[in-house]
Amino acid sequence: QVQLVQSGAEVKKPGSSVKVSCKAPGGSFSSYAISWVRQAPGEGPEWMGGIIPILGIANSAQKFQGRVTITADESTTTAYMELSSLRSEDTAVYYCAISTHYDYLRGSYRYIGIDYWGQGTLVTVST
Amino acid sequence: DIVMTQSPDSLAVSLGERATINCKSSQSVSYSSNNKNYLAWYQQKPGQPPQLLIYWASTRDSGVPDRFSGSGSGTDFTLTISSLQAEDVAVYYCQQYYSTPYTFGQGTKLEIK
Repeated sequence: QVQLVQSGAEVKKPGSSVKVSCKAPGGSFSSYAISWVRQAPGEGPEWMGGIIPILGIANSAQKFQGRVTITADESTTTAYMELSSLRSEDTAVYYCAISTHYDYLRGSYRYIGIDYWGQGTLVTVST
Repeated sequence: DIVMTQSPDSLAVSLGERATINCKSSQSVSYSSNNKNYLAWYQQKPGQPPQLLIYWASTRDSGVPDRFSGSGSGTDFTLTISSLQAEDVAVYYCQQYYSTPYTFGQGTKLEIK
């Protein structure tokens, strides 16, 4: 069982940035694939991007490119997601999540399902 | 992006009866080179994050009851609950992990009839 602990709820103004943290237990942190997934009220989950710390490989959905930065600090086993230029449509619960397995095929890594999820961080963007 | 479309949007089934949820992808999420289907199913209850039920389209995650099963390949997939229990009331999502961005279906809300 992998317990992920996320930072607390945030209220932000439009145009500002938010940085959400996700603390994972030590051990295999670096070898996991870490995703950030958000879920707006009443909507389905939306994958924003991810990182495999041990490989130093991060990628994000085209929709968020230029606005999202996903990083991982192996020394503190903490992952971060920063989203900038916030707008009201970014109001959602943001989850960090781990895939304990991934594969490599045709030049790309693929996260095999998402096994463990954080408790979620509500980010509200409002004037 | 690969679009995942689930049907139906909602479903009401009697306790002990079978529930079937369908998921269709806008392009194949299967690789012939390794014969694998890059498709997962999740269960989400109110106020909780999604929980992984099935990956590789048909492999149950650890601890998932065997009344849950997945099938399909290519673009068409199915989640079946063989005998509905009260604790299965939830929203179910399919997700492809064939290519980024990994996309989810819109969800199917499962209720007791």
